[in-house]
Amino acid sequence: SQELEQSPQSLIVQEGKNLTINCTSSKTLYGLYWYKQKYGEGLIFLMMLQKGGEEKSHEKITAKLDEKKQQSSLHITASQPSHAGIYLCGADGGYNNNDMRFGAGTRLTVKP
Amino acid sequence: SQTIHQWPATLVQPVGSPLSLECTVEGTSNPNLYWYRQAAGRGLQLLFYSVGIGQISSEVPQNLSASRPQDRQFILSSKKLLLSDSGFYLCAWSPFNAYGYTFGSGTRLTVV
Repeated sequence: SQELEQSPQSLIVQEGKNLTINCTSSKTLYGLYWYKQKYGEGLIFLMMLQKGGEEKSHEKITAKLDEKKQQSSLHITASQPSHAGIYLCGADGGYNNNDMRFGAGTRLTVKP
Repeated sequence: SQTIHQWPATLVQPVGSPLSLECTVEGTSNPNLYWYRQAAGRGLQLLFYSVGIGQISSEVPQNLSASRPQDRQFILSSKKLLLSDSGFYLCAWSPFNAYGYTFGSGTRLTVV
């Protein structure tokens, strides 16, 4: 199985500050997904990374996958209260491995 | 376009009662289907996945079972609920020959 470690477990930042969440895998990642979840709701897809060194951005959120494809980071610039929630990274087991594993999540609180 | 429906959104059941959660997908054929449970401190935990009708893979031995009676229908069941079955359950699907996961809105189950 693919174990994912996410850090930090929780994060409290002042509105307007930048922050980074990390996701580390014990194995090479075939597909790395970032999701956001508000409490008690379904997951909202943010971004998917597949290639080593790949970087994607959506609004003020940027996700990167390192060259070795074992670590990903999610960076939020100028955080806002709307960014608050739980951020989960998920890793695809590979094309013929039909499941996805998740990190434990990072709970982000943005103080106005 | 593809959509995923999961119901009910919330459920309160007494200990020892049966459970049936349903998930259906529209707009696609032969999807891979998944049931996840959100466990505190462990993020999302894969419970079952299915690559076809009648094909179920179980990840965690427990009080739950899954069935796939139709191509786009995935059911999570229990004959007798335990208190420890309380949690947030998410259904998801992915294309059989490509990457990408879509999650349902989740069911919050409280066993009392």
